[in-house]
Amino acid sequence: SQQGEEDPQALSIQEGENATMNCSYKTSINNLQWYRQNSGRGLVHLILIRSNEREKHSGRLRVTLDTSKKSSSLLITASRAADTASYFCATEGTGNQFYFGTGTSLTVIP
Amino acid sequence: KAGVTQTPRYLIKTRGQQVTLSCSPISGHRSVSWYQQTPGQGLQFLFEYFSETQRNKGNFPGRFSGRQFSNSRSEMNVSTLELGDSALYLCASSLTSGANEQFFGPGTRLTVL
Repeated sequence: SQQGEEDPQALSIQEGENATMNCSYKTSINNLQWYRQNSGRGLVHLILIRSNEREKHSGRLRVTLDTSKKSSSLLITASRAADTASYFCATEGTGNQFYFGTGTSLTVIP
Repeated sequence: KAGVTQTPRYLIKTRGQQVTLSCSPISGHRSVSWYQQTPGQGLQFLFEYFSETQRNKGNFPGRFSGRQFSNSRSEMNVSTLELGDSALYLCASSLTSGANEQFFGPGTRLTVL
């Protein structure tokens, strides 16, 4: 399977703390994307980082990409209760198909 | 601009039946992809349609099929339903085919009894 894996599977933090989740993938990529999913709902696109980029910021989000290690990390700073959701990384391989990771379930405690 | 819509939102079927799910992409988007999400397998790619043509297909049996119409709306059909087909089926649209940002609909929750 080319599906990626997120680590940790579950994360629980206090409001205001930073949350870091990691994604590892198996094949070469053109870009990597991060999505958020609130319970039982559709996914919301957060950020896209291209294979020639090493770091990207969007608001309270910071994404890094290490293509040599086939890994990416998503940092959410100053977390809020509304950040409680599942977070997925998605990669697009040579077949132009999207592969989603297993997801990290984040709980932010008010 | 209206988002991606999926109908119906919830569906209950019995084994052996067939089901058709519908997805209306964002206006102007020509690519529609379908995903199956289950607790055990996570999000799995079913297929992608672009300009009424299936561009890519995931590793699912032939019971899963789809099509896209000239207005980019897409339908997904599952025949001879099995208990394991119970899942959240998500549709995503994007401007073009390939590695672009995808906009997801709310999903159709299918329960097979």
